Amino acid sequence: QKEVEQDPGPLSVPEGAIVSLNCTYSNSAFQYFMWYRQYSRKGPELLMYTYSSGNKEDGRFTAQVDKSSKYISLFIRDSQPSDSATYLCAMGMEYGNKLVFGAGTILRVKS
Amino acid sequence: GAVVSQHPSWVICKSGTSVKIECRSLDFQATTMFWYRQFPKQSLMLMATSNEGSKATYEQGVEKDKFLINHASLTLSTLTVTSAHPEDSSFYICSAREGSGNYNEQFFGPGTRLTVL
Repeated sequence: QKEVEQDPGPLSVPEGAIVSLNCTYSNSAFQYFMWYRQYSRKGPELLMYTYSSGNKEDGRFTAQVDKSSKYISLFIRDSQPSDSATYLCAMGMEYGNKLVFGAGTILRVKS
Repeated sequence: GAVVSQHPSWVICKSGTSVKIECRSLDFQATTMFWYRQFPKQSLMLMATSNEGSKATYEQGVEKDKFLINHASLTLSTLTVTSAHPEDSSFYICSAREGSGNYNEQFFGPGTRLTVL
């Protein structure tokens, strides 16, 4: 079993839709949870990070962490074609140190 | 935000040759740099962690004699793939971290695509 599981998609939605991206994990020692966006042939860009359980909102993006279920989510409201990218979840036991990434979910927002 | 560059952005080489990839932090001093490898449609896999002035720490299964990492300054780390073979073809991404506290973000470079013929 992988430490972090993420459905690779692709996930195709119409412009304006609410997108839900999810990851599950097995290591209960993870404390920091991140979501990265990666465009084709580019390095990952940090979108959100959350410490322990709870919600965090930034503009159209909301990150949720449920440590009891070992489940994290990223919601994108009013999705735009420019949101089309691969979204990677990542988690670590100490922020900035070793990160374990999910496989990434390919998102396509159609105009 | 902090910027990390990589050079070259892509390279094609013959089997058996060595390839050096540079990772630079442009506007901050990176006490720690990380090297990842990403195969098509797969996630980033950490290869090694390097701290300035000390030997790199390699992840299990990564051959340290094949993937030579040098972190000689606070703004530059290099990864040399020695005697490259087609199975080494991949997307290599570095990240850099400033400081050593718990709240220091990793900033990623744009990646280097290596193709070994």
